[in-house]
Amino acid sequence: NAGVTQTPKFQVLKTGQSMTLQCAQDMNHNSMYWYRQDPGMGLRLIYYSASEGTTDKGEVPNGYNVSRLNKREFSLRLESAAPSQTSVYFCASSEGGTLYEQYFGPGTRLTVT
Amino acid sequence: AQSVTQLDSQVPVFEEAPVELRCNYSSSVSVYLFWYVQYPNQGLQLLLKYLSGSTLVKGINGFEAEFNKSQTSFHLRKPSVHISDTAEYFCAVRTGGKLIFGQGTELSVKP
Repeated sequence: NAGVTQTPKFQVLKTGQSMTLQCAQDMNHNSMYWYRQDPGMGLRLIYYSASEGTTDKGEVPNGYNVSRLNKREFSLRLESAAPSQTSVYFCASSEGGTLYEQYFGPGTRLTVT
Repeated sequence: AQSVTQLDSQVPVFEEAPVELRCNYSSSVSVYLFWYVQYPNQGLQLLLKYLSGSTLVKGINGFEAEFNKSQTSFHLRKPSVHISDTAEYFCAVRTGGKLIFGQGTELSVKP
């Protein structure tokens, strides 16, 4: 039982490049989330998916797109990376909505130069 | 919309001493509050949550928190900390179906 897995663990991009962060969970959870973590700012929600087939914007969605590929997988895409997107990205999942415990992946450290 | 403020960015403490990490929330009719912990180079994990009922909530690893409606606070406490409690701690509030996290408090336990 791996829980929540994220790939890659580290990535360096040049400004303007694109990439997709992958996330998968094996707990049969309905809801999945993408957060970014920046020093002194806690975690901020980028996008979430309350159930398979649905996605919604969080606090900081600009510059990102998401796809809920199936119940297990939720990917985050940066179409044209900017230095302001340098951050640590966490994927999380929960059985139901936000009253349920969220289980977090190990994170992806992204640097945009 | 709800928000949370963590009053201390860093808390240094000696091993076996008590600790309190402070969190205030903006008032609302219904409040659902959480504490998460992040150990170095890991994702977050849930320590405890308050949904309703008893205002004293017990969590994992000997932590507890008290929901205080009159002071709009949800402070996290542990009577005796260990070196292994060194981590960053996040208070969070549910609002509009989402979790809003505070800025985090770094707890550093020294021998």
